[in-house]
Amino acid sequence: KTQVEQSPQSLVVRQGENCVLQCNYSVTPDNHLRWFKQDTGKGLVSLTVLVDQKDKTSNGRYSATLDKDAKHSTLHITATLLDDTATYICVVGDRGSALGRLHFGAGTQLIVIP
Amino acid sequence: DMKVTQMPRYLIKRMGENVLLECGQDMSHETMYWYRQDPGLGLQLIYISYDVDSNSEGDIPKGYRVSRKKREHFSLILDSAKTNQTSVYFCASSSVKGWSDYTFGSGTRLLVI
Repeated sequence: KTQVEQSPQSLVVRQGENCVLQCNYSVTPDNHLRWFKQDTGKGLVSLTVLVDQKDKTSNGRYSATLDKDAKHSTLHITATLLDDTATYICVVGDRGSALGRLHFGAGTQLIVIP
Repeated sequence: DMKVTQMPRYLIKRMGENVLLECGQDMSHETMYWYRQDPGLGLQLIYISYDVDSNSEGDIPKGYRVSRKKREHFSLILDSAKTNQTSVYFCASSSVKGWSDYTFGSGTRLLVI
């Protein structure tokens, strides 16, 4: 069973618009949550990491929230650019596993059009 | 510039052939990982290595084995490749307890025909 669900599956926005990506998870216990950006054919680039019970982070035009009680995270992208076109992946770290396991969502495919 | 390097970037093999995927890192990270990524699915953990000759199975180890003889180098081996092993393979590394410092390579696209 998938433990990390992302929505929407895909999203098209016009350059300059804002968008919000959602991540719901059932991983227990949850140590941290990271958002990655993956350009087509490339590796994963970390955007932000959230750790606290109720956390907020900001990294340029990217901002994120985490609510561990609700097991829910959002990634906000402000004033989108064409280069924001990519797949955004939510990852939850499981501190209960000796392996240091990460649980990956399938990603949200964002397409930014002119 | 700290990074994880994967070779080759693209690979085509026939069913039954042996496959070697290589990964290197220059950060002196003790822990290294191999994942595969398939369309519509999240990354799946194949193997994890805690240090030289200290490897553990992940979620989908069947059909794969690994080798880590040097800290900076981690190999994934497919003995007698199968068509369902066609995928994109990612290597990653992190410091021992560095949950927040995972770094991924750019991936190897493997096609088994």
